Amino acid sequence: EIVLTQSPATLSLSPGDRATLSCRASQSVGGFLAWYQQRPGRAPRLLFFDSSIRVTGIPARFSGSGTGTDFTLTISSLEPEDFAVYYCQQRSKWPLTFGGGTKVEIK
Amino acid sequence: EVHLVESGGGLVQPGRSLRLSCAASGFIFDEYAMHWVRQVPGKGLEWVSGISWKGNDIDYADSVKDRFTISRDNAKNSLYLQMDSLRPEDTALYYCVKDRGAGYAYGDSWGQGTQVTVSS
Repeated sequence: EIVLTQSPATLSLSPGDRATLSCRASQSVGGFLAWYQQRPGRAPRLLFFDSSIRVTGIPARFSGSGTGTDFTLTISSLEPEDFAVYYCQQRSKWPLTFGGGTKVEIK
Repeated sequence: EVHLVESGGGLVQPGRSLRLSCAASGFIFDEYAMHWVRQVPGKGLEWVSGISWKGNDIDYADSVKDRFTISRDNAKNSLYLQMDSLRPEDTALYYCVKDRGAGYAYGDSWGQGTQVTVSS
């Protein structure tokens, strides 16, 4: 199965900071990668699919990029509601797999 | 608005069975693939199983293969997960997840989950 490794595990930042989250795949997934946000006590929410396609309603401060094995989720200026855990997920090859998550916490 | 409501979770002894259900509304159910994803509290996400819109294309994670069975009833707008030979490591919150399409394999809507606890 394809292993997704997210880094860092925890990102300690302040509101207004730029956040850069990484997801690396053990083999190429092409562009078939998604990003989810999970706030405490809530179900995950899809942010991006196919690496960079933003889901309707997701603010423009969020951007996704990458192809092959290296992907990045960027939040240009953190808002209070952005402090959460973020997961990547690939659909290139079954079984579908998720990364271990990056927690973005308030510094 | 998409609404997914899971039910059927609970406390069960190792080796026993449980059947989860998911009632879907707010979209044309038989046009979308569906999935089950689980999460141990405080831990990451694990995809469990997925089923195509027609129900003829099914996949499982290796950890549940030959023990879990996914199915759907499009007439009832419902998704199911039959879980047999349950193990303590199956303990998790189980989410019902709607695919973006007939088989994109991205989850664009999630239920609130139903807790399954396997313990003697």
